[in-house]
Amino acid sequence: EVQLLESGGDLVQPGGSLRLSCAASGFTFNNYAMSWVRQAPGKGLEWVSGISGGGGSSYYTDAVKGRFTISRDNSKNTLYLQLTTLRAEDTAIYYCVKDRAVGRAAILDYWGQGTLVTVSS
Amino acid sequence: DIQMTQSPSSLSASIGDSVTITCRASQSIGRYLNWHQHKPGKAPKLLIYSASTLQSGVPSRFSCSGSGTDFTLTISSLQPEDFATYYCQQSYSTSLTFGGGTKVEI
Repeated sequence: EVQLLESGGDLVQPGGSLRLSCAASGFTFNNYAMSWVRQAPGKGLEWVSGISGGGGSSYYTDAVKGRFTISRDNSKNTLYLQLTTLRAEDTAIYYCVKDRAVGRAAILDYWGQGTLVTVSS
Repeated sequence: DIQMTQSPSSLSASIGDSVTITCRASQSIGRYLNWHQHKPGKAPKLLIYSASTLQSGVPSRFSCSGSGTDFTLTISSLQPEDFATYYCQQSYSTSLTFGGGTKVEI
């Protein structure tokens, strides 16, 4: 059974930093691309970033380019998202999502329960 | 980025009804279109991928049609567990985008 367990969400001040983690199990982690998707309060889903199975390729939505960094440790079956220069509009539930393929994020087939990031002074 | 527009943003329906949700892309995306279901407080769930393929375990009352820029998701004979918000999502470009969502209410 695929399991994705996010952690690291917290209350942080504007301009601050945070690292989210996602522990994966139930599948061969390095065979699949992974993504982070967020949902701001009262809003819809927004894809944030994706990374290939080997970690050599990564992709970002324009709103977070230069501020967020996605990475993965395939020896630990863990996905990360480093968030820096945080803004109020980054407040959201952040979901870790597995893809069906290895190359790039495309078909998001399994989702975690999410971790809440709140940016406020 | 490719913009995805869903309509309606919400709809009311009864058990047993058939409902249709539309999704339009700002440019042609072939059949690179996926649908997700999201219930409050739960993890979203993939329903359909590549415009017409049901994810394993998804009931056959869910179906999708379309290609290019226009797609529809149909739920025939609505069941109590189908009340949720539905999102289309394109995977044509490396920057994935979602539609704004359609909330299906009783």
